[in-house]
Amino acid sequence: EAAVTQSPRNKVTVTGGNVTLSCRQTNSHNYMYWYRQDTGHGLRLIHYSYGAGNLQIGDVPDGYKATRTTQEDFFLLLELASPSQTSLYFCASSDAGQNYEQYFGPGTRLTVL
Amino acid sequence: GEQVEQLPSILRVQEGSSASINCTYENSASNYFPWYKQEPGENPKLIIDIRSNMERKQTQGLIVLLDKKAKRFSLHITDTQPGDSAMYFCAAPPGGNYKPTFGKGTSLVVHP
Repeated sequence: EAAVTQSPRNKVTVTGGNVTLSCRQTNSHNYMYWYRQDTGHGLRLIHYSYGAGNLQIGDVPDGYKATRTTQEDFFLLLELASPSQTSLYFCASSDAGQNYEQYFGPGTRLTVL
Repeated sequence: GEQVEQLPSILRVQEGSSASINCTYENSASNYFPWYKQEPGENPKLIIDIRSNMERKQTQGLIVLLDKKAKRFSLHITDTQPGDSAMYFCAAPPGGNYKPTFGKGTSLVVHP
């Protein structure tokens, strides 16, 4: 069973705050993804990566940076958080790309006051 | 970006009846069609998938149909149970350097 972990699981910050969400997968998967989930919008892709040092832009990248430091670790950075970024964030990984199953982490609930 | 339309957004059925969710996609290069189930408070998990070399796949009360000509695929849940109540997402990743895209989800409610 593929394992994807996220930290923190819950985070509250204020407008303008700096937030880093962490994701780690221990399955030697090359592809990792960051999504946000909001009611009525489903899962929306923020950034994704094919491997360490690689970064691809998703569908809703504004206000987000990401960095893939190793094959295992993928970080999402909000440098000036805004209330519109209050959401449930999921990280996912897949073995050989999007034509294969994605394994999701447990999610991080972020609240920006 | 590539669009995947998923309907209906909300589906209410009686226990024991069947439920159907439909998705349409744009990119004819798509050749992998997964379905994910997300229970309340949980993460999405793959429940069934189909590749473009098949038209039908069935496993444990789930049936997936694929019509490549119409760019349409569907999930059918037979003999629904309250435990089937959840959000369901389809996806039709175009592959290559294209971005993976999910449908907006269907909230299935199975009434006892």
